[in-house]
Amino acid sequence: LAKTTQPISMDSYEGQEVNITCSHNNIATNDYITWYQQFPSQGPRFIIQGYKTKVTNEVASLFIPADRKSSTLSLPRVSLSDTAVYYCLVGGGATNKLIFGTGTLLAVQP
Amino acid sequence: EPEVTQTPSHQVTQMGQEVILRCVPISNHLYFYWYRQILGQKVEFLVSFYNNEISEKSEIFDDQFSVERPDGSNFTLKIRSTKLEDSAMYFCASSALLGGDPPGELFFGEGSRLTVL
Repeated sequence: LAKTTQPISMDSYEGQEVNITCSHNNIATNDYITWYQQFPSQGPRFIIQGYKTKVTNEVASLFIPADRKSSTLSLPRVSLSDTAVYYCLVGGGATNKLIFGTGTLLAVQP
Repeated sequence: EPEVTQTPSHQVTQMGQEVILRCVPISNHLYFYWYRQILGQKVEFLVSFYNNEISEKSEIFDDQFSVERPDGSNFTLKIRSTKLEDSAMYFCASSALLGGDPPGELFFGEGSRLTVL
C-alpha cells in the first residue's frame, strides 16, 4: 500500500479556502485517492475520492495532477465546524484494508 | 441515512477480563471491519471480514482477538484477556463494495471506548 505524507497541522480562518496537500510518490496504477474527515471522539467520515484530474462534490474538491504522486483536498469557505483531522488514503484494487496515516489537523478560527 | 451502530459507547474493564464489542453494520453491506484508535494516535486497521471469514488482519490482531457475525445483523469483536494497552476507541465499519474500481466507501460507527484498568 502506498505511503502518504501530509502536513501535521494547518490553521485557517472562517470563510477562507483551505487546501491540504498529500504526497503519495509510490502510488500504484490501480490505486484510488480517498479523503476522510474525523471529528474528536467520532469515526472517520468519507469526504471525496478520485483517480485523476479533478473531482468535486457538495463539500470539497480533489485535485490530482497527471503523475498522481500528490493530491490536494480543497475545502471552500471553511467554517468553525470544519475543524477536524483530515486523512488522505491511497488504495483500492483487490484490498479492502484502508491504512490511515497521521492525518492533518485543521484548526479553523473565527 | 443508514448508519453503523456500536455498543457499548464506553466500557470499563479490569485487566485480564474478556470484552465483547458489538456492531450493527448497514443492512445491505457485505464487508465489515474493525479499527482502533489509541488516544491521540492514528486510526489503525485490525481486521476485515467477508462471507463469514476473516479477509485480512493486521499484526495487532493476535490470538487474543476474534471476530464473529453470530446472526444476520451483528458483528462482534472479542478481546479474550484485556491488557492495559488495549485501552482505545474501537471503530466498526462496513462497506458495500470490496476494493474494486473505485473502492467502496467505508461507513464508520461512532466507536466504543474501552478503558482497561
